[in-house]
Amino acid sequence: EADIYQTPRYLVIGTGKKITLECSQTMGHDKMYWYQQDPGMELHLIHYSYGVNSTEKGDLSSESTVSRIRTEHFPLTLESARPSHTSQYLCASKKAGSTDTQYFGPGTRLTVL
Amino acid sequence: QQQVKQSPQSLIVQKGGISIINCAYENTAFDYFPWYQQFPGKGPALLIAIRPDVSEKKEGRFTISFNKSAKQFSLHIMDSQPGDSATYFCAASRGSQGNLIFGKGTKLSVKP
Repeated sequence: EADIYQTPRYLVIGTGKKITLECSQTMGHDKMYWYQQDPGMELHLIHYSYGVNSTEKGDLSSESTVSRIRTEHFPLTLESARPSHTSQYLCASKKAGSTDTQYFGPGTRLTVL
Repeated sequence: QQQVKQSPQSLIVQKGGISIINCAYENTAFDYFPWYQQFPGKGPALLIAIRPDVSEKKEGRFTISFNKSAKQFSLHIMDSQPGDSATYFCAASRGSQGNLIFGKGTKLSVKP
C-alpha cells in the first residue's frame, strides 16, 4: 500500500480562482511527480522534482506551478483556473537513485466551471 | 514523437481467456519496463516490471514477455477475470534518474 496522499479528491471551482492541489508522501522519497490525465486516457508528466528546492517542467506544458520546500510535500498551484484545466491530476513519488517502483496517489479530479 | 507505442487501445476478453497487450519502444537505452494497472477513480498501481536481461517474468496470472531485438514487450493475463477490467499502461525508463515514459493505455473489459 502506497503512502502517498492527495487532497482534495474532488474540486469544483469557478473560472479565475486560485487553487492549490496538495500531495504528500510518508515514504521519504526524494523524487516526486505531477501528471495530468483525462479519465482513462494517457498520462502526461507536467512537473517533477529531484528533492527539496528542485523543480522541473515535464513533457506537457502546463500553466500550473509547483514548489518543494519539504521532502514529503509537493503542492501544485493554478493562479487562475480555467475550464481548460479541467482534468485529473495525479501525484507520484519514488526513491531517487534507483529504478524502484513509482507510487501514485489517488488523484484529484478538478472541474473548472 | 511517441517513444512507447501501446496497442490495442481497447480489448474485450471473455472470462477465462487470455488478454494480450503489446508495447514497442524506440530508445535502446531504456532499461526498465513496468506495467501499471489503473481502476476508475484510482491512481495507477505497479502490476509487474521487467529489465532487459531476462526475456520473461511471471507473477501469478500476469506475465511480461520481452523481446530486446524487436524492442517490444507484452503483458499476458492468463485466465482473465472480470476483476481484471481496468486500464493498463506500459512504460519505460532509462537509468535510475530517467522519468517513466508511458504508453497511451489499453482499456481491458473482461466479460463474465
